[in-house]
Amino acid sequence: KAGVTQTPRYLIKTRGQQVTLSCSPISGHRSVSWYQQTPGQGLQFLFEYFSETQRNKGNFPGRFSGRQFSNSRSEMNVSTLELGDSALYLCASSLDRGRGNSPLHFGNGTRLTVT
Amino acid sequence: AQTVTQSQPEMSVQEAETVTLSCTYDTSESNYYLFWYKQPPSRQMILVIRQEAYKQQNATENRFSVNFQKAAKSFSLKISDSQLGDTAMYFCAFRAWYDFNKFYFGSGTKLNVKP
Repeated sequence: KAGVTQTPRYLIKTRGQQVTLSCSPISGHRSVSWYQQTPGQGLQFLFEYFSETQRNKGNFPGRFSGRQFSNSRSEMNVSTLELGDSALYLCASSLDRGRGNSPLHFGNGTRLTVT
Repeated sequence: AQTVTQSQPEMSVQEAETVTLSCTYDTSESNYYLFWYKQPPSRQMILVIRQEAYKQQNATENRFSVNFQKAAKSFSLKISDSQLGDTAMYFCAFRAWYDFNKFYFGSGTKLNVKP
C-alpha cells in the first residue's frame, strides 16, 4: 500500500506570492491533517479535513487555507506569503477521525522557502 | 490547552546500549493518548509506540518501551539495544480524546547512536 504522498518536495517562492501544496493520503484513509514544522515553533497543527469538510483548525491566520476532494486528496494554500512561512509542511492521514489510539501516518513533507 | 515538553534537546548513546528519552505533558483531561514519533533525515515522521491513558500497563514494541506515569504526567521512551538506524529526531505527542487528529508535539530530542 502506498504511503502518504506530498508534492512537491521543495518549493521556493517570493514574499507576497501564494502557494498550493498537495497531499494524497493512504488509500482508504478519509482524514487528512496538515502540520507546520519550523525550528522555532516545532510542529504545529494547521487543520484537519474529513469528508471534504474542515473539522478542526489550529491557531493560524486566514492566509492558510485548505480543502479536501471527494477522493480524500487534500490541498493546502498559503496566500500573501511571508518570510515566516518558510517551513516544512507535513501532511498526515488516518483511517478515521482519531478512533482510539489511531495514529497519524505522515508524508515526507514539502519544504517551502520564502525569499 | 495541552503542552508537551521534551527537556533533552540532544542525546548520544553507544550502539547496543540503552537510552531513555524524557517527555512530560500538561493537561486537565483524564482520557487521552500519547505517542512517540521518530523523524529521520528523510523527514518522514514514523510512529514508534503509542499508549492509552486509561491503560496502566506500559506499551512495548520490540526494542522500544515506555514508562507511563499518569499522576506525574510523564511518558518516557526507552530504547534497548540501540542501533545506528535509531539515529533520528524523536517527538513525543499528545492527543486528547475529543481532539481526533489534532496532536500536540514536543520540541523533539535528537538522538545520535554512535558505533
